[in-house]
Parts: sequence; C-alpha cells; structure tokens
Amino acid sequence: KQEVTQIPAALSVPEGENLVLNCSFTDSAIYNLQWFRQDPGKGLTSLLLIQSSQREQTSGRLNASLDKSSGRSTLYIAASQPGDSATYLCAVPGRFGAGTRLTVKP
Amino acid sequence: DGGITQSPKYLFRKEGQNVTLSCEQNLNHDAMYWYRQDPGQGLRLIYYSQIVNDFQKGDIAEGYSVSREKKESFPLTVTSAQKNPTAFYLCASSAGATNTEAFFGQGTRLTVV
Repeated sequence: KQEVTQIPAALSVPEGENLVLNCSFTDSAIYNLQWFRQDPGKGLTSLLLIQSSQREQTSGRLNASLDKSSGRSTLYIAASQPGDSATYLCAVPGRFGAGTRLTVKP
Repeated sequence: DGGITQSPKYLFRKEGQNVTLSCEQNLNHDAMYWYRQDPGQGLRLIYYSQIVNDFQKGDIAEGYSVSREKKESFPLTVTSAQKNPTAFYLCASSAGATNTEAFFGQGTRLTVV
C-alpha cells in the first residue's frame, strides 16, 4: 500500500529565506506527483504537477523535483514571503501526505 | 469560469440523519473524487468515479454512498452508519484517473450536533 510522508510537519522561517519541503513515497510505480497549497478552511490549490517521466517542474518562485528511484520529491520555494504561509501537501494519485505547515514571518 | 463547486460550505447534521454533499464541475472531467480531511491529517479517499455510472470505494467508504448519474455531478451521502462524520470534505476532479492534474473544490465542513 502506497504511503506518502512529508517532513517537516511544520516550518517557520523569516521572510526572504529559500526553503525546501520534502515528500517521500513508498511505491515508485507512480504516474505523477502533485504539490498543493491549502489555506486554513479552504480547498486545495494545485501548484505543480510532475509526470513520472519528468525530473522537475517550475512555476515562478516554486520548483519541484521528482526522483522516482529513491521515492522522493522536493518543493523548493525561493525568496519566501508572508503570503506563502499555508500548508503544502504532496500527493500521488489517490494518496496524500499529511502536509507541511509553513509560516513565513515578516 | 470553469471549476468545481461544493455546497453547502457548512453543514450541520443531527445524529441518525443522512445528509448529502453536492459537488459539481464544469471542466468536462471524466474522473471525480471525494476525500475526507481531519485536523492534522492528510486527505483520505472515500470514493472515486472514473466515468459516468461507475464508481469505486476508496480507503474509508464505510458509512458513505455516492452516485454518478451525470458527468458534471458526484454527490456524496453521509449516512447514519458513519459513526464519526464530523470532518472537512473535499471533492476533486481530473481529466483522467491517473496521469492528469487534479483540481479541488473549496470544501464542505460537516458537523454533527
């Protein structure tokens, strides 16, 4: 059974820092991996989708990488801003991690 | 504009009652999903449907039922058999079941009173 784990569970950084969120999965036979953002009490907003044949995807200050062989993905956020404060979740089809709660302090 | 609409945003249920949560999408997506989210936990899959008139149980289907009579709609009924229904429910859709991007609604918060 596929398990998805995210480390750390929570992260607090000062504004302007670059940061990395980690996601690991136990079964490397995945079609894709998706990163989401969730604000309190809201639904999920898709950030990046990496297909199994891809190594990384970039959108603005966000960069996500995928290493299927090691069962890992990372989400890199450059020059963090207070508006980036949210919970970030990674998912493979049908299976989600518990998320990393990010706080960016002004 | 295109998207997924869940209603209501907040729902209160008395013990022993069935309630139905609505999910509608105008993205022309084939696949639709229902997830449950509890505080501090990831999303857990309740039911999913890859095509009209077909659906499969997810990890926690007991106490829930769904229908998929139309491509645009995938309502979830929380029955009285669900012993702990208080949670945040999220509906999602994707063009296909596996290798396409999933989009989510804004969720329904169900509280048993």
